[in-house]
Amino acid sequence: AQTVTQSQPEMSVQEAETVTLSCTYDTSESNYYLFWYKQPPSRQMILVIRQEAYKQQNATENRFSVNFQKAAKSFSLKISDSQLGDTAMYFCAFMRALAGANNLFFGTGTRLTVIP
Amino acid sequence: EADIYQTPRYLVIGTGKKITLECSQTMGHDKMYWYQQDPGMELHLIHYSYGVNSTEKGDLSSESTVSRIRTEHFPLTLESARPSHTSQYLCASSRTDYGYTFGSGTRLTVV
Repeated sequence: AQTVTQSQPEMSVQEAETVTLSCTYDTSESNYYLFWYKQPPSRQMILVIRQEAYKQQNATENRFSVNFQKAAKSFSLKISDSQLGDTAMYFCAFMRALAGANNLFFGTGTRLTVIP
Repeated sequence: EADIYQTPRYLVIGTGKKITLECSQTMGHDKMYWYQQDPGMELHLIHYSYGVNSTEKGDLSSESTVSRIRTEHFPLTLESARPSHTSQYLCASSRTDYGYTFGSGTRLTVV
C-alpha cells in the first residue's frame, strides 16, 4: 500500500520569504506521479505542481518548485517570494502509473500561513 | 468553460432525511471521485468511478451510495442522514494520470 507522510501540520512564513514543505512517501512502484495541491480557506482545491517519477528534473511552476529525491522517497515543495494568497492547506499526493489505477493517495496536509 | 460543479455548497438537514449531493463535470473525464474531508482536513476516498455504470468503494467505509449513469454526472446519496455524516464532501474528476480537478465541495451538517 502507498502511504504519504507530511510531518509538518502547521507552518508560517513572512511575506516575501521562502518556505519549504516536506513530504515523504512509501511505495514499491518504480514509476508513479507526485503532486502538490493547495486548498485555500473555504475555496476549491487546486493543483500546484506535478512530478513524473521517471523524470529526474525537478518540476517548477513560477514561484513553486519541488525537490524530488527518488531514492529517499522525498518530495518537498518550495514556495519562493511568499504572498498572502499562498495561505492555505497544502496536500502532497501520490498516484501509481498503472493504466486504470489513477487513485490519488493524499498526505494529512500542512497548514501554511503567510504573515504580512 | 470546462469545470466541475458541486451543489449545494452548504446543506443543513435533519436526522433521518434522504439527501443527494450533486456533482457534474464538463471536461469529458472518465474518472470521478468522492472524498470526505474531516475537521482535521484529512481527505478520505469514499467512492470512485472509472466510467459509466462503474462504481467502487474507496478506502473509507461510507454509508453513502453513488451512481454513474452519465459520464458527466456522479451524485452521492445518503438514504438516512445522521450527525456522524456531518463533514465536507469533495468531488473530483480526472483524465488518466494528470491529476484531479476538484469541485468547490459541499459542507453538510446533520442536526
